Amino acid sequence: DAGVIQSPRHEVTEMGQEVTLRCKPISGHNSLFWYRQTMMRGLELLIYFNNNVPIDDSGMPEDRFSAKMPNASFSTLKIQPSEPRDSAVYFCASTTEAGLNSYNEQFFGPGTRLTVL
Amino acid sequence: AQKVTQAQTEISVVEKEDVTLDCVYETRDTTYYLFWYKQPPSGELVFLIRRNSFDEQNEISGRYSWNFQKSTSSFNFTITASQVVDSAVYFCALSEDSGSARQLTFGSGTQLTVLP
Repeated sequence: DAGVIQSPRHEVTEMGQEVTLRCKPISGHNSLFWYRQTMMRGLELLIYFNNNVPIDDSGMPEDRFSAKMPNASFSTLKIQPSEPRDSAVYFCASTTEAGLNSYNEQFFGPGTRLTVL
Repeated sequence: AQKVTQAQTEISVVEKEDVTLDCVYETRDTTYYLFWYKQPPSGELVFLIRRNSFDEQNEISGRYSWNFQKSTSSFNFTITASQVVDSAVYFCALSEDSGSARQLTFGSGTQLTVLP
C-alpha cells in the first residue's frame, strides 16, 4: 500500500522565489496535516484539513504561507516569497477522522527538505 | 493548552542495555491520546503506539514497552536489549479530544544513540 507521498523530496531555492510543496494522502483518509520541523522549534503544526476544508490554520506563520486541498487526494503548501528562515523539513500527514472518544494515528510522508538561500 | 515535555535531549547506551525515554504531558481535557513516533536518520516519522487516556494498561510489543501513569501525567517508553538499529529520535505526542481539533502536539524529542 502506498503511504503518504510528498514531492519534491528536496528543494533548494533562492530568497524571494515561490515554492510549492505537494502531498498525496493515503487513499481513504479524510484528514490532512502539514507540519514543519526545525531545530529551533521542533515539529509544529501549520494547518489541518478535514474533508478538504481547512479547519485550523493558526499555525501558518505568515501570509506568505498558503495551503490548499482541491480534492481528497491532493494538497499543496505554497510559500511566496520564500525567505531563508523558511528552511526546514515540511511533513504532510493523513489519517481517518474518528468520532468522539476515538482517535486514529497520523501517518507521515517522507518530508520535503526545503533550503532557501 | 496542551504541552509535552521530553526532558532527555540525548541518551547514549551500549547495545543490549535497556533504556527508558521519559515523557510528561499537560492537558486540561479528561479525554486525550498519547503517541510515540520514531524518526530514524533517514528522516521519516514512524508511528509506534497510541494510548487513550481511559486505558491505563501498559503495553508490550516485542522489545518495546510503554508505561502510562495518569497520576504522574507520564507516558514512558522502554526499549529492552537495545540494538544499533534503535538509534533514532523518539517523539512523544499528545492530542486532546476537543471537537474537531485533532492536531498533535509533539515533545522536543529524545535522540537515542545505541553504540555497538
